[in-house]
Amino acid sequence: DAKTTQPNSMESNEEEPVHLPCNHSTISGTDYIHWYRQLPSQGPEYVIHGLTSNVNNRMASLAIAEDRKSSTLILHRATLRDAAVYYCILRDNSGGSNYKLTFGKGTLLTVNP
Amino acid sequence: NAGVTQTPKFQVLKTGQSMTLQCAQDMNHEYMSWYRQDPGMGLRLIHYSVGAGITDQGEVPNGYNVSRSTTEDFPLRLLSAAPSQTSVYFCASSYSRAINTGELFFGEGSRLTVL
Repeated sequence: DAKTTQPNSMESNEEEPVHLPCNHSTISGTDYIHWYRQLPSQGPEYVIHGLTSNVNNRMASLAIAEDRKSSTLILHRATLRDAAVYYCILRDNSGGSNYKLTFGKGTLLTVNP
Repeated sequence: NAGVTQTPKFQVLKTGQSMTLQCAQDMNHEYMSWYRQDPGMGLRLIHYSVGAGITDQGEVPNGYNVSRSTTEDFPLRLLSAAPSQTSVYFCASSYSRAINTGELFFGEGSRLTVL
């Protein structure tokens, strides 16, 4: 089972910031937090990842809580093209293998014009 | 640089038929994997490979077979298709064996319908 908890859906207005939350209370000390998104009828695409410190790239920012039990993906100005399912995932280390990324159902983000 | 290429994009099979979904990447990635995605669900890992000659099972491996004879290719074989295998299949690759720090690159998907 996925080790992250996300809201099923969120709405935003165009040009406004969006904060997508993710809870991962059982995260281990070496787990990276990954965010991917899936646009309609496309494969998932990488957004951002981090370990402890906040991270920024051209697409988004990732804010990680000090205890690492939660994180927030921040889209600074939502556009219609940002409407997608956003997945927060951790490295899955079950069974002694660290080669599995488990995707939950994610958060469906709707962006209103 | 084409990235991850999946073929075919669409396929209709009859129950009991076999087929192979092809996946190729030109990024010299060691790690490759196959996921399936059913309506309203997240992605579930079928099989993965950390290099040529090395494969392992994911979350839902039953009914599927894989091999990795080259770094570039990672075909997924359906031995005897069943309606429960109707799904969208995604291939993904990464430059990092540990995939903890590596970005996963996905193909555009193959939509399979089994009648």
